[in-house]
Amino acid sequence: AQSVAQPEDQVNVAEGNPLTVKCTYSVSGNPYLFWYVQYPNRGLQFLLKYITGDNLVKGSYGFEAEFNKSQTSFHLKKPSALVSDSALYFCAVKDQAGTALIFGKGTTLSVSS
Amino acid sequence: GAVVSQHPSWVICKSGTSVKIECRSLDFQATTMFWYRQFPKQSLMLMATSNEGSKATYEQGVEKDKFLINHASLTLSTLTVTSAHPEDSSFYICSARDGGFSGDEQFFGPGTRLTVL
Repeated sequence: AQSVAQPEDQVNVAEGNPLTVKCTYSVSGNPYLFWYVQYPNRGLQFLLKYITGDNLVKGSYGFEAEFNKSQTSFHLKKPSALVSDSALYFCAVKDQAGTALIFGKGTTLSVSS
Repeated sequence: GAVVSQHPSWVICKSGTSVKIECRSLDFQATTMFWYRQFPKQSLMLMATSNEGSKATYEQGVEKDKFLINHASLTLSTLTVTSAHPEDSSFYICSARDGGFSGDEQFFGPGTRLTVL
């Protein structure tokens, strides 16, 4: 069975500092990995994805994520956090095209000024 | 980019009534749509997978007679919550798959906030 773990309920960083939001996954085959962001009472906004190719994936708003097959991780990173990055972040996975995404529980990112 | 809309964005209804939520793909054809449910500060839980022209596939524990899903066209799927009760109050989010996009991306609607009194 597929699963996603986001071990941190909340991550707090100061504006301008680098941020990391952790994600590990479990799938039976090759993973399709995604990061989404959600603002209060809003739907999900796509940030980035890994399907194949380079392990370092760059996405929207300066975010990037690194696929690490040996550690089954796909951590989200940003070199310099902004207060406006404060939101709920979801990691998601699936093991084949056409199927639904399985989401982690979400991590609340709080960036202080 | 691909846009998915949901209507209504929020609805308040009385216990025992039925509520219909629409999910539309505005600029692409969605052969598959997914319905998720999200409780406050919790993750999205997949409720069902909807394929155009066929019956929806429900996840374990989701009552198919209570959450009726219809995917009558390539751009519209509806979720009807029948005989709603307060415990059905939640944030319902749909997503649509555009197989034409690289990587089989799903695009999410803005969500519908349902409150059952």
